[in-house]
This record gives sequence, structure tokens and C-alpha cells, in this order.
Amino acid sequence: DIQMTQSPSSLSASVGDRVTITCRANQSISSYLNWYQQKPGKAPKLLICAASNLQSGVPSRFSGSGSVTDFTLTITSLQPEDFATYYCQQSYTTPRTFGQGTKVEIK
Amino acid sequence: QVTLKESGPVLVKPTETLTLTCTVSGFSLNNARMGVSWIRQPPGKALEWLAHIFSNDEQSYSTSLKRRLTISKDTSRSQVVLSMTNMDPVDTATYFCARTTMGTYNSFDVWGQGTMVTVSS
Repeated sequence: DIQMTQSPSSLSASVGDRVTITCRANQSISSYLNWYQQKPGKAPKLLICAASNLQSGVPSRFSGSGSVTDFTLTITSLQPEDFATYYCQQSYTTPRTFGQGTKVEIK
Repeated sequence: QVTLKESGPVLVKPTETLTLTCTVSGFSLNNARMGVSWIRQPPGKALEWLAHIFSNDEQSYSTSLKRRLTISKDTSRSQVVLSMTNMDPVDTATYFCARTTMGTYNSFDVWGQGTMVTVSS
């Protein structure tokens, strides 16, 4: 199975901050990397697919980059509604695997 | 509008078999570019992919759980069913179904609301 490792596991940030979350695969996944946002008690929401393709309706302050094994999710100016847990997920092969999540908390 | 909705028991006993149903609308299970996955999340923990099924009946399972899982679909009823045998308290989780779309690099682009399943005697 492909292992996905996110860092950090949690972070504290203020509104307006720039936030970067990294995700590393233990083998090449090309650009088959997706990012999800999950708020408490809710289903995850797809933010970015294929490493950098922003989903329709997702604010442009979210961006993704990377390929092969190393990927990044960036939020350029953190907004109150962005406090949530973020997951990366590889869809290069089965079984599909998720990172352990990064919780973004209010500082 | 694409929707998915999970249904099934709230409580199961250890050793029992769990059967969950995902009823979809707004897309067809015959669509060659789409499939349905099951994903679970124990309380306070990360997401874990369980299985998927596509229109051609291609199935794939979690390595650690494949001996206990069976996924199937009823296209006429727009339903995908997941069975998990020999349930244990560690299987207590919220179970989600989600659409997988080849056009978005096999990501999970639409999710159900999830259904919480507790395993307890």
C-alpha cells in the first residue's frame, strides 16, 4: 500500500495568515493527489484534485502544487471558515490511501 | 444535483455482519467514468478507504479488510451495498459513501452525509 504522510499534524494560525500543509507519498503517485477539507460532524469536501486543480466553487486562496512524491496545500490568507482538518489522498492506485490529517486551529 | 445517502443499522453486536446501503441520485451507476467508494472514520481519527466498485463491476478492497468486505451494486435501484463481516468494537465509525470520478483523477468529488455505526454488545 502507498503510505501518505502529512505534516504538520496540527497547526495554530491567525486569520490572514499564510498556511502550508505538506503531504508525502512513499512512492511515486504522479499527480494523482487530492486534498479534502473536513469540518466537525461533516463529510469531507473535495478542494483540489490532480495535485493542483481547484474544484469549482473553492476559493482561490486555496492552491495545490507538487508531483511524484511531494505535494503542498497552501491557503494564502486564512479565513475563519477555513479552520478545519485537511486530508491528502492518493488515487494513483488501489488501495486508495489518505494522510493522517492536519488540523488547522485558531491561534 | 448529485447526492449520495447512506443507510443501515446504528448499532451492531460483535461478530455480526454489517450491511450498509448507499443510494445515489443525479448520476447513473452505469456511467463508465464513475464509481462509488466506501470510506470510514472512527471517532476522532483519520479517514480510511474501504472499497470501491465501478460500472463494469470492477471491485477493489482495503488490504487489511478485504477478507471481511464485499461490495456490490444494484444499478436498477441506484444502490451500492457494502457488507462487513465479524464486526468488532474497533469498527465503530462513521461510514461514508462517495462518488469516484475518473474525470477528476479518481477523486471523491461528492460525499454522502455519513452514517454512524456503533459496535457493542
